[in-house]
Amino acid sequence: AQSVAQPEDQVKVAEGNPLTVKCTYSVSGNPYLFWYVQYPNRGLQFLLKYITGDNLVKGSYGFEAEFNKSQTSFHLKKPSALVSDSALYFCAVRAPMDSSYKLIFGSGTRLLVRP
Amino acid sequence: NAGVTQTPKFRILKIGQSMTLQCTQDMNHNYMYWYRQDPGMGLKLIYYSVGAGITDKGEVPNGYNVSRSTTEDFPLRLELAAPSQTSVYFCASSDSRGRDRFNEQYFGPGTRLTVT
Repeated sequence: AQSVAQPEDQVKVAEGNPLTVKCTYSVSGNPYLFWYVQYPNRGLQFLLKYITGDNLVKGSYGFEAEFNKSQTSFHLKKPSALVSDSALYFCAVRAPMDSSYKLIFGSGTRLLVRP
Repeated sequence: NAGVTQTPKFRILKIGQSMTLQCTQDMNHNYMYWYRQDPGMGLKLIYYSVGAGITDKGEVPNGYNVSRSTTEDFPLRLELAAPSQTSVYFCASSDSRGRDRFNEQYFGPGTRLTVT
């Protein structure tokens, strides 16, 4: 069965420093991977996705993510964090042969960026 | 486009009551989904629909029902509400036809439901 793990409940960084939010996955076949962000009392907003091609994908708000097939990871990164990046981040995977196209979500990582 | 809209934003139910959570999308998406989000957990899929008239169960369907009579609307019905259904409910949609089958899902703002 497919699954997603976000090993850190919380990540704290200082504004201006680089940030990484970790995600590992388990799925049969080549995965489709997504990152979403959730601000308080809001729905999830799409950040970026990996379907195929370059292992480094760029998304909204300066975020990027690196797909590593051998480590089954899809870590979210940003070179310079902003206080406004503070939010809850979810990694999700979609199995390539699943006709429902449903997303399996990790438990989320809360990012706190200190001024 | 309004995207995905959900009503109500908040609701408190007594045990045993019933209600319908409304979801509408104006993007002509074929796929629609209902998820629930419990504290400290990711989203769990309740039901989904691949088009009008077609629905199927997700991971946690017990206690819920859905219908999809139009492309735009995908209401979620709670019968005999229980405290275990206290959660935040999100509706989502995606356009998954042909080359768009890798598209991301778009989420509504959520409905916060408390059952006491």
